Amino acid sequence: QTVVTQEPSFSVSPGGTVTLTCGLSSGSVSTSYHPSWYQQTPGQAPRTLIYETNTRSSGVPDRFSGSILGNKAALTITGAQADDECDYYCVLYMGSDYYVFGTGTKVTVL
Amino acid sequence: QVQLQESGPGLVEPSGTLSLTCAVSGDSISSSDWWSWLRQTPGKGLEWIGEIYRGGNTNYNPSLKSRVTISVDKSKNHFSLKLSSMTAADTAVYYCARNGRYSLASWGQGTLVTVSS
Repeated sequence: QTVVTQEPSFSVSPGGTVTLTCGLSSGSVSTSYHPSWYQQTPGQAPRTLIYETNTRSSGVPDRFSGSILGNKAALTITGAQADDECDYYCVLYMGSDYYVFGTGTKVTVL
Repeated sequence: QVQLQESGPGLVEPSGTLSLTCAVSGDSISSSDWWSWLRQTPGKGLEWIGEIYRGGNTNYNPSLKSRVTISVDKSKNHFSLKLSSMTAADTAVYYCARNGRYSLASWGQGTLVTVSS
């Protein structure tokens, strides 16, 4: 059973920078897993932020960026704003034609 | 701007079969290659259920494969999900989505399905 791990929670100050990561229980995340990132506010459907590791979805502010850091995928929020406070999920494409979601990170801006 | 809307019963009996439909508007279902079903539970978080190609090919989550059927009806511009042998663990908000490049590009608003007698 593949487990995709994310930090349970992160706190960032307004205007600050935070980097969320997305790892595998066994192995390293690379661009071959085509990592994507989603933002979800309570009661709403997820919204796509990043796909193909580092491509921003239409309308997504450039304060959101994606990358590979070491053996994990990463989402960096630069200049955090109050409305960035919500849940963030990564998704990895496992290559056998299925996707696995990460466990999610709750970001608090305070 | 494509819009997706899930519909179906909000309550399913244990051991029953869930049937949901995702209506696509603002674009033709033939305009995109792949369309997905997903769900979200408090306990397990977000989970990808499976996807269907506009031509009818399907891929399923290995953990659900034995119970899932996804189909497409291009004439009605919708695609559907059937999940059999439902248990309380299948209680979730179910979403449909249009796939992007190895991603889920556009999402429906979701529909809550509760398994209970």
